[in-house]
Amino acid sequence: DQQVKQNSPSLSVQEGRISILNCDYTNSMFDYFLWYKKYPAEGPTFLISISSIKDKNEDGRFTVFLNKSAKHLSLHIVPSQPGDSAVYFCAASVQGAQKLVFGQGTRLTINP
Amino acid sequence: NAGVTQTPKFRVLKTGQSMTLLCAQDMNHEYMYWYRQDPGMGLRLIHYSVGEGTTAKGEVPDGYNVSRLKKQNFLLGLESAAPSQTSVYFCASSQGAVAFFGQGTRLTVV
Repeated sequence: DQQVKQNSPSLSVQEGRISILNCDYTNSMFDYFLWYKKYPAEGPTFLISISSIKDKNEDGRFTVFLNKSAKHLSLHIVPSQPGDSAVYFCAASVQGAQKLVFGQGTRLTINP
Repeated sequence: NAGVTQTPKFRVLKTGQSMTLLCAQDMNHEYMYWYRQDPGMGLRLIHYSVGEGTTAKGEVPDGYNVSRLKKQNFLLGLESAAPSQTSVYFCASSQGAVAFFGQGTRLTVV
């Protein structure tokens, strides 16, 4: 039973354009959401997060949007750069529970 | 800053052998975790610890044991390795909502 789902295993975007990665969740108790980025042979690194009391959080080229009614979040990267090519995981937690539940990941490829 | 360090980085085991994966963190975090990553499955929580001397089961605990004798270390043990335990293992630590990960251990069981 996958509580956090990333339905697109891969995404290819041209350099300079917008990349949109999507994530859905089923557990309504989740109240904190995170995106991690992972390069080959490295551990995941934290990218950006959002609390359920917000619907948007921005950090430079990265913006995360949360739609609680749809149980959906998305990560926008604009403009996309070659160094953004990586696997992106969304994760969710119940604050105070300290356990992250991850999606399956989406492999983003930025083409020159 | 070392952050979270995992030992070893690679290992090949024969079915039935045992081994211990070591995780060390230097951030004084209370919480530590072991995840495994498999193709198409994302990262799944094996066991975690909310403080020194404590451990708890995660989503996929069968076949694994853990110990947290010191705050900075979290050990993952495989008593009798099986091919289904071929995976990449990640240790993480956290003090708040954001977890910090080690570089991973690629384990192959043949």
